[in-house]
Amino acid sequence: DTEVTQTPKHLVMGMTNKKSLKCEQHMGHRAMYWYKQKAKKPPELMFVYSYEKLSINESVPSRFSPECPNSSLLNLHLHALQPEDSALYLCASSQDAEPYSNQPQHFGDGTRLSIL
Amino acid sequence: GESVGLHLPTLSVQEGDNSIINCAYSNSASDYFIWYKQESGKGPQFIIDIRSNMDKRQGQRVTVLLNKTVKHLSLQIAATQPGDSAVYFCAEKNQAGTALIFGKGTTLSVSS
Repeated sequence: DTEVTQTPKHLVMGMTNKKSLKCEQHMGHRAMYWYKQKAKKPPELMFVYSYEKLSINESVPSRFSPECPNSSLLNLHLHALQPEDSALYLCASSQDAEPYSNQPQHFGDGTRLSIL
Repeated sequence: GESVGLHLPTLSVQEGDNSIINCAYSNSASDYFIWYKQESGKGPQFIIDIRSNMDKRQGQRVTVLLNKTVKHLSLQIAATQPGDSAVYFCAEKNQAGTALIFGKGTTLSVSS
């Protein structure tokens, strides 16, 4: 069982919908991440939060809006997505970032997102 | 640009054989490297990591080797089992030292 919990596991939405992906960790980690993974490709970094502040945005379109309500929670708000945004969205956490400490990131099992 | 690549996209082995998965990295300044295993329908799972001041690190049935001269990383799995079948990714630090970037991945298939 993963120590990073993501909900929902699957999400189907239309291009005009608004939805949110949620991630939770209780390991006391201070850095949290969103990755996007297309089929048969490696995870691509989207956002990094360090001590609840956004520290890295990898030029992600504004239709993706991250939020870190507290040190254990990370959300990704979705609005007006495109079919090419269909992918597996992974959340991860690590002890800290800025700079990235030499510790492994722990991943959740992701949300499989399909845009109709 | 930054990239971390693996030499082979697929590797097929027999149960009980030893497996070697290779990775060429690009950031010579990276002081940290990590291997992940990703099974179908799951997120990446940490296997083993290594810091740049080491050449070799061993875990349970796995060994990571680091050759900084040629910027090469490898993962050795001893006595490979069907449960080892998965996609394996190496990762290194980006140039800014602020995040990990992942290589392309190698799909390991183990037949019994």
